[in-house]
Amino acid sequence: DVKVTQSSRYLVKRTGEKVFLECVQDMDHENMFWYRQDPGLGLRLIYFSYDVKMKEKGDIPEGYSVSREKKERFSLILESASTNQTSMYLCASSPGLVRQYFGPGTRLTVT
Amino acid sequence: QKEVEQDPGPLSVPEGAIVSLNCTYSNSAFQYFMWYRQYSRKGPELLMYTYSSGNKEDGRFTAQVDKSSKYISLFIRDSQPSDSATYLCAMNRSGGSNYKLTFGKGTLLTVNP
Repeated sequence: DVKVTQSSRYLVKRTGEKVFLECVQDMDHENMFWYRQDPGLGLRLIYFSYDVKMKEKGDIPEGYSVSREKKERFSLILESASTNQTSMYLCASSPGLVRQYFGPGTRLTVT
Repeated sequence: QKEVEQDPGPLSVPEGAIVSLNCTYSNSAFQYFMWYRQYSRKGPELLMYTYSSGNKEDGRFTAQVDKSSKYISLFIRDSQPSDSATYLCAMNRSGGSNYKLTFGKGTLLTVNP
């Protein structure tokens, strides 16, 4: 059974903190993605990676960076968390063009 | 104009009803058209997809794509309370950064017993 896991379900951080969100997939997929999901705005792509150490900006990369040192792990970094980064963060992986497998999400609150 | 438009609902129907969910899009380069289902407090999961125009049926679910109108639909027959979820349409291009999906905002569906 395919599996995408995210390091935390709920996270509370303070403004200005550096935040790491971790995502691990066990399906040997080339592609991995980070989204945020907000009411009324839907799913928005932050970054994606199509290979180890390769990354591309998505639609809303400002304030975020990513790291992919190993194929199975894709990290999202908030360099200095701000309240407008309070959101649900979803990680996904995919072997190709269509099916993306999503993790359960991390609800991040920045106070 | 947004690339993908989807009525957010909410949509509430009685059990057994036929449900129609729709999206419109503006980019004629889209080739793959998908429907994802997201239960509360879960990540989305792929329900079904269609390549280019046409229909596809899977049990109680039918996906339709009309590229001439830039309009896609998902029909659910004999809807069940277990179908209560948010349904997101998604699509991607055939070339370039074709791994990148463009999602609609999702329609929240509730099927009442």
